[in-house]
Order: sequence, then C-alpha cells, then structure tokens
Amino acid sequence: QKEVEQNSGPLSVPEGAIASLNCTYSDRGSQSFFWYRQYSGKSPELIMSIYSNGDKEDGRFTAQLNKASQYVSLLIRDSQPSDSATYLCAVNGGYQKVTFGIGTKLQVIP
Amino acid sequence: KAGVTQTPRYLIKTRGQQVTLSCSPISGHRSVSWYQQTPGQGLQFLFEYFSETQRNKGNFPGRFSGRQFSNSRSEMNVSTLELGDSALYLCASSFSGQGNNEQFFGPGTRLTVL
Repeated sequence: QKEVEQNSGPLSVPEGAIASLNCTYSDRGSQSFFWYRQYSGKSPELIMSIYSNGDKEDGRFTAQLNKASQYVSLLIRDSQPSDSATYLCAVNGGYQKVTFGIGTKLQVIP
Repeated sequence: KAGVTQTPRYLIKTRGQQVTLSCSPISGHRSVSWYQQTPGQGLQFLFEYFSETQRNKGNFPGRFSGRQFSNSRSEMNVSTLELGDSALYLCASSFSGQGNNEQFFGPGTRLTVL
C-alpha cells in the first residue's frame, strides 16, 4: 500500500467550476500536510500547507484536513486554464521525511 | 529573498560515471532535502541534511550520497551511474527542519544517463 495515495487523473473541469483534488495517507502520526502545484517541466511550487483538522482558505484555494479519516483535499474555486497542472499532495512524517503522492493532473477546459 | 538554486541545470553522463549536484538553500534555511523525480515513480525522498548532519535517508542504494557544508549548501553525489538514474533531481530547503516547516524547491537538475 502506498503511503500517500492520489488519483493520477487527468481530472477535467470546465473553466469557472470547482476542482476537487483528494489525497489519503497511511501514517496516522503525520502532523503536517502540503499541496504543491507542478507545471510541466518545472519544479513543484508550494500552494497550501495545513496542520490541524478543518479548512484553511487562501484566495481561490481551500485545503481540508481530516486526521481521523486520514484524508486531505484541495478545492480550487473558479478554476482557470492557468490552474492546469499536476497537484502533488505531500505528508510530513517528521524531520522533513516528506512523502509525496504521485500527483493528480488537472485540466481546466476553457 | 533569493530562492533555492541548483547547479547545473542539465547534465548528460554515460553509464559508470559519477556526478555531483549542488544546491544552495534560501538564506537562513538550515535544512536541505533531496528528491528524485521520474515519470513512473513520482517524487522519491533521497535524504535530508540539517546543520551538516544527515538526519533522514530514503530507500536508495549507497551509490547515492550527500553532504552539507557549514553555510548550509548541499551536494549530492551519484557514483557508478546507471540508465535508471536518469531523472529530475530536486532539492528543497526549509527553515529548521521541524515537522511543520514548509519546503521550497529549487528548479532541479535534469540528469540524463546514456
């Protein structure tokens, strides 16, 4: 069983819609969770971090964490074609031993 | 504040050679982590250094090694290169390496092994 699981997609949404990206993890002791965006040919860019249960909002992005269900999600409101990228879920099990999911490819259709 | 820098950006080597990659973290960051990214395996953790000490290591063979200098700059070395080592090598820096610290990635070094 992979430690961090994501659906590789592609996830296609129309422009202006809400994109919902999901991630599950296996290590119950994990304390910090991150979402990165990676454009093709580029390195990952941190877009959200979340450490406690509940929602965290930053502009059009909302990260949701449920530690009991070992589930992290990222919502992108009013999706734009420029949001088309691969979104990586990352889980920190301590001392920066960060495990990444395979990433979900998002396509926003104009 | 300048971001994470990595040199070189591209490398072409042949099997059996060795290679050294360099990473300069964001000023003030003391933790440097290295990752290998391939299309099939995604981002795989190699190792993490903090204050010149390797604190964590992923599941890679001993051909992969690293070090960190007193100014927090880090190098990784791959000896006896194999075709399967072709990948994007990324380093990421964070402030202190404590559990909640965010990591910021450099642009990566694209290694091709022929």
